[in-house]
Amino acid sequence: GDSVTQMEGPVTLSEEAFLTINCTYTATGYPSLFWYVQYPGEGLQLLLKATKADDKGSNKGFEATYRKETTSFHLEKGSVQVSDSAVYFCALIPNQAGTALIFGKGTTLSVSS
Amino acid sequence: DTAVSQTPKYLVTQMGNDKSIKCEQNLGHDTMYWYKQDSKKFLKIMFSYNNKELIINETVPNRFSPKSPDKAHLNLHINSLELGDSAVYFCASSPHFAMNTEAFFGQGTRLTVV
Repeated sequence: GDSVTQMEGPVTLSEEAFLTINCTYTATGYPSLFWYVQYPGEGLQLLLKATKADDKGSNKGFEATYRKETTSFHLEKGSVQVSDSAVYFCALIPNQAGTALIFGKGTTLSVSS
Repeated sequence: DTAVSQTPKYLVTQMGNDKSIKCEQNLGHDTMYWYKQDSKKFLKIMFSYNNKELIINETVPNRFSPKSPDKAHLNLHINSLELGDSAVYFCASSPHFAMNTEAFFGQGTRLTVV
């Protein structure tokens, strides 16, 4: 079945460092891809999305590009802040009716000043 | 206004009890979901409803029963609670099950069974 694999955490960075969180997927057809963020004690918020190959999603300085040839959707940010500390989830939804988001296991990011 | 709201936010109860979690969305969406997040943060779909009709019913013990009185509400009732039911339960909604778009999540209900 369809699945999402993302790098194990935790990822620990200093403020202003460059961030990459790797995400690869397995799916039949052409899924839509998402990154969600979960701040401590809160629900999931959509961070960015891409719905077709070569689309780049971006929001709040974060970017990810839908790469069909490598089945990847890596999350990047050029300069992280302490406020970016959270759990990041890569997810896909298959391109067929009646399905639901399939999540990776989440990557915890901790940014120190 | 909160788009997807769940109550209660925290729920502590004893084994064997029956409890319910309520969810409401004011986004006008047709589809609603229940997800379970375990202690390792892994999120798994449990159920989805589209306009009060059950669409997804994953392998979940039949002690869990969703109920959708209308398309804006999806409640989760759990009978005979067990220690392993302790988790965070998230409600979510999306415009329509055929559109394959993102889902909007509530704040979660942390269920602790003691």
